[in-house]
Amino acid sequence: NAGVMQNPRHLVRRRGQEARLRCSPMKGHSHVYWYRQLPEEGLKFMVYLQKENIIDESGMPKERFSAEFPKEGPSILRIQQVVRGDSAAYFCASSHSSGGAFHEQFFGPGTRLTVL
Amino acid sequence: AQRVTQPEKLLSVFKGAPVELKCNYSYSGSPELFWYVQYSRQRLQLLLRHISRESIKGFTADLNKGETSFHLKKPFAQEEDSAMYYCALREETSGSRLTFGEGTQLTVNP
Repeated sequence: NAGVMQNPRHLVRRRGQEARLRCSPMKGHSHVYWYRQLPEEGLKFMVYLQKENIIDESGMPKERFSAEFPKEGPSILRIQQVVRGDSAAYFCASSHSSGGAFHEQFFGPGTRLTVL
Repeated sequence: AQRVTQPEKLLSVFKGAPVELKCNYSYSGSPELFWYVQYSRQRLQLLLRHISRESIKGFTADLNKGETSFHLKKPFAQEEDSAMYYCALREETSGSRLTFGEGTQLTVNP
């Protein structure tokens, strides 16, 4: 089991461009979480998805950010019209079904986004 | 809102010395607390959770509700313990969403 995969590992964008970050969960996992880590800060929860459903997006900025986890394929975190403040490491984690109980989240290696 | 505080960004000890990484939290309900670790060039991984009350790699952590703390301790630090440590909290009603502290970089010197 290769674990949670994220690509690209590094992404450079100019202000105003779009950034697409991909996350493939561990085999058998149906839940995906996205976290953002700004420089010198801890990980901040952004969004929690199941296949074809957004369960909790309370940590997502109201504008320019969106996430999806389609029936087939990886989860995508999309950032439109990027600004310098979006520069951060974006981590994806996956787990088995939650159902209110905690299931260990397994983290990917992260995507480091740099906005020029 | 819930919050997790790790007051020390950097902590340096010598091999064989005791180590304590501090974690305080603020949350009005019954939280579940965790410690995650990230070794150099590796992924973030779960070290231990308070519910399991077990020792992992010689580390223990006790939830103190009175002091709202969940400090991570090890009596004799080893060089391989050098890593970034994050304390995290899960609210009882949030499913699996985690709130992380800012992390403490532990360096164990030979």
